[in-house]
Amino acid sequence: GQNIDQPTEMTATEGAIVQINCTYQTSGFNGLFWYQQHAGEAPTFLSYNVLDGLEEKGRFSSFLSRSKGYSYLLLKELQMKDSASYLCAVKDNYGQNFVFGPGTRLSVLP
Amino acid sequence: DSGVTQTPKHLITATGQRVTLRCSPRSGDLSVYWYQQSLDQGLQFLIQYYNGEERAKGNILERFSAQQFPDLHSELNLSSLELGDSALYFCASSVESGSSYNEQFFGPGTRLTVL
Repeated sequence: GQNIDQPTEMTATEGAIVQINCTYQTSGFNGLFWYQQHAGEAPTFLSYNVLDGLEEKGRFSSFLSRSKGYSYLLLKELQMKDSASYLCAVKDNYGQNFVFGPGTRLSVLP
Repeated sequence: DSGVTQTPKHLITATGQRVTLRCSPRSGDLSVYWYQQSLDQGLQFLIQYYNGEERAKGNILERFSAQQFPDLHSELNLSSLELGDSALYFCASSVESGSSYNEQFFGPGTRLTVL
């Protein structure tokens, strides 16, 4: 079966660092994506991992361990505008199907 | 602006009715995905089309159907609507280059309200 887990909610302070975890069990693996979604808006792409290790992109970094079925998204120097839901999604090997996690709602406080 | 367009933005209808949601992918993208997002749920994958053919099927109800036309735009048809069908419906498109990297670009969504 397909299963992706993320914490439901997280809170952090402006200027701090926060790590959002994602664990997955899917039928095959062909890449992991992180998306940001502000309330009522469309998801927007943040990062992509297909090999183990860390991918850095400005204030955002994403890590993947395929053997552990685990990824995290690291957000540095948090800003108020980072308050949003963060969605972990896995692409499986069959039909290029995407499975999205439930999302983590991040609140950044002043 | 992702380049993916969806119409209408909002749709209000009654139970038992049928509606059609429309999506135009980014120029050059061959693949279209449909998702449903309810207030208390994450994105639920419904169906994917690639170059006019159905590629993958997710949790799509039998009352729902979709198609992709020769000009690559896609329509999602929802029939015998129920109150629980009220949700945001997103369309996304991707290039489908054959590599594993396959970023999806999401449209702004259609908010469906069933009364």
